[in-house]
Amino acid sequence: NAGVTQTPKFQVLKTGQSMTLQCAQDMNHNSMYWYRQDPGMGLRLIYYSASEGTTDKGEVPNGYNVSRLNKREFSLRLESAAPSQTSVYFCASSESYNEQFFGPGTRLTVL
Amino acid sequence: GEDVEQSLFLSVREGDSSVINCTYTDSSSTYLYWYKQEPGAGLQLLTYIFSNMDMKQDQRLTVLLNKKDKHLSLRIADTQTGDSAIYFCAAYGGSQGNLIFGKGTKLSVKP
Repeated sequence: NAGVTQTPKFQVLKTGQSMTLQCAQDMNHNSMYWYRQDPGMGLRLIYYSASEGTTDKGEVPNGYNVSRLNKREFSLRLESAAPSQTSVYFCASSESYNEQFFGPGTRLTVL
Repeated sequence: GEDVEQSLFLSVREGDSSVINCTYTDSSSTYLYWYKQEPGAGLQLLTYIFSNMDMKQDQRLTVLLNKKDKHLSLRIADTQTGDSAIYFCAAYGGSQGNLIFGKGTKLSVKP
């Protein structure tokens, strides 16, 4: 099993460009999450999906949109990237309250 | 909402014990977790404890929970250089219904 996979691993964008971060899990988990990690800030939840067909805002949703394409895939879209969105983005999945499994992360720089 | 606090840095010598502390604010949190993040990688679950437990031991790891003070600690016995990483405390099950992370404690192990 690959667990949680994320693409791309690295990305550099110019201000105003758009992009979609992809996430997939092969553990048949119902819940999926998108976090951002910034130095000294820990992990902050952007959006989550408790089950296929549902999405909810987390702590820092502004500037992002998500799509739960199916049970396996949960994508994060930046419509108009800003330098403040420079961060490391992690996708995670879990079965209800159990352990969250994390992907390796996408390192995004917005110039 | 839930707030999870932990000190940012800890430095120990190889072979010593490390103790990483964490406090949380929401007494209704039902699960408390410790995650480890190695450089350039995602988060990996180390251990977790249910709120009705006081202690959990798993090989070199000991978790202590003081519910009255809302204080959680992770003790790593015989700390090795391979234990150098960032350790995140996280609380689940409080009023927000999501996993809330602390900012992480960077553990440095000196030979």
